[in-house]
Amino acid sequence: DSGVTQTPKHLITATGQRVTLRCSPRSGDLSVYWYQQSLDQGLQFLIQYYNGEERAKGNILERFSAQQFPDLHSELNLSSLELGDSALYFCASSVASGRTEAFFGQGTRLTVV
Amino acid sequence: GQQVMQIPQYQHVQEGEDFTTYCNSSTTLSNIQWYKQRPGGHPVFLIQLVKSGEVKKQKRLTFQFGEAKKNSSLHITATQTTDVGTYFCAGRNAGGTSYGKLTFGQGTILTVHP
Repeated sequence: DSGVTQTPKHLITATGQRVTLRCSPRSGDLSVYWYQQSLDQGLQFLIQYYNGEERAKGNILERFSAQQFPDLHSELNLSSLELGDSALYFCASSVASGRTEAFFGQGTRLTVV
Repeated sequence: GQQVMQIPQYQHVQEGEDFTTYCNSSTTLSNIQWYKQRPGGHPVFLIQLVKSGEVKKQKRLTFQFGEAKKNSSLHITATQTTDVGTYFCAGRNAGGTSYGKLTFGQGTILTVHP
């Protein structure tokens, strides 16, 4: 158990809908990362927050947004969902933003039908 | 932007054979990390390399960081069936506005035949 909690574990929704994925980092970790893993695309970095502020941004679509709350949990919002958004979404956390390892949650498997 | 390339994409070996995966970054890295993801699981941290030319060993695994801090390798000696999984390298930018960004390579999927 990495200590990172993601909910829900599975999500099935229709095209055009909006979903929210939730992540609770390990106790004491200030940094949260979101990654998308598709079958043929490895781990694509979406966005990183550090202590409530956006720290780095990757190839995150405009239809996607995220935030980190004062209690350090984070949410990833996906809207106007398309079939191609079906993937595993991982959240990871680390103590700081630099030279520290990232601990991954179990992931949320999103299926858009 | 920063790109991290990893080869090979797939590797099939017989149990007992050695295995190596290589990682190359388009930019100089602050550090590089290696992760292993078992089938159906999530990435799990293996090790971090920080210094130029650094070599670290974990039992049958040997990790190297290049002198220019732009490439790295993971070598497994005498593979076992428990080594099956996808091995990812992940690099952090050496500076700039995306300092914290952890960019993963595409991963190498290792299959070990008993």
